[in-house]
Amino acid sequence: DIQLTQSPSSLSASVGDRVTITCQASQDISNYLNWYQQKPGKAPKLLIFDASNLQTGVPSRFSGSGSGTDFTFTISSLQPEDIATYYCQQYDNLPPYTFGQGTRLEIK
Amino acid sequence: QVQLVESGGGVVQPGRSLRLSCAASGFSFSGYGMHWVRQAPGKGLEWVALISYDGSNAHYADSVKGRFTISRDNSKNTVDLQMNSLRPEDTALYYCAKDSRRLMVVAPFDYWGQGTTVTVSS
Repeated sequence: DIQLTQSPSSLSASVGDRVTITCQASQDISNYLNWYQQKPGKAPKLLIFDASNLQTGVPSRFSGSGSGTDFTFTISSLQPEDIATYYCQQYDNLPPYTFGQGTRLEIK
Repeated sequence: QVQLVESGGGVVQPGRSLRLSCAASGFSFSGYGMHWVRQAPGKGLEWVALISYDGSNAHYADSVKGRFTISRDNSKNTVDLQMNSLRPEDTALYYCAKDSRRLMVVAPFDYWGQGTTVTVSS
């Protein structure tokens, strides 16, 4: 099974900061990597699909990059409403379609 | 608009069974794969099961293989998760989620329900 290692597990930043989260896959998954945002008490929301594509309606301050085994998720200017836990997820080939362990983002 | 509404959760003793259901609306249900994803209290997301758009293929996480069965009824726009031999570690919020691409084996999950809670405890 493909494992995803997300880092950091938690992060505290100020409004306006640039925030970066990384996700490393245990084997090559091409660009089959998605990023989800989960706010407290809510269902996850798809932000980025196929490593770098912004889902419709998602603000442009969110972006993703990478391919193969190393991926990055970036918020260019942190807003108060971005407080959430962020998960990467791979969907390469066969299941299981694993998620990373999550990154909890807080406002400093 | 797309809606996914889960039901069927509850408190159940270890070893017993429970059946979850997800009612879908607002899209052409028979064209999309559907998933169940769970989240134990205070923990991360765990993919549980997938059923293809036509119901011909199903896949499971190792943690539930042989105990859980996913099924769908394209005439009723529902996807179910039959959970047998439940264990305390199956305690979680169970989400139904939709593939984003029509007629694909799997795709990013673009819509999620609000979840239904399953508690396995004696």
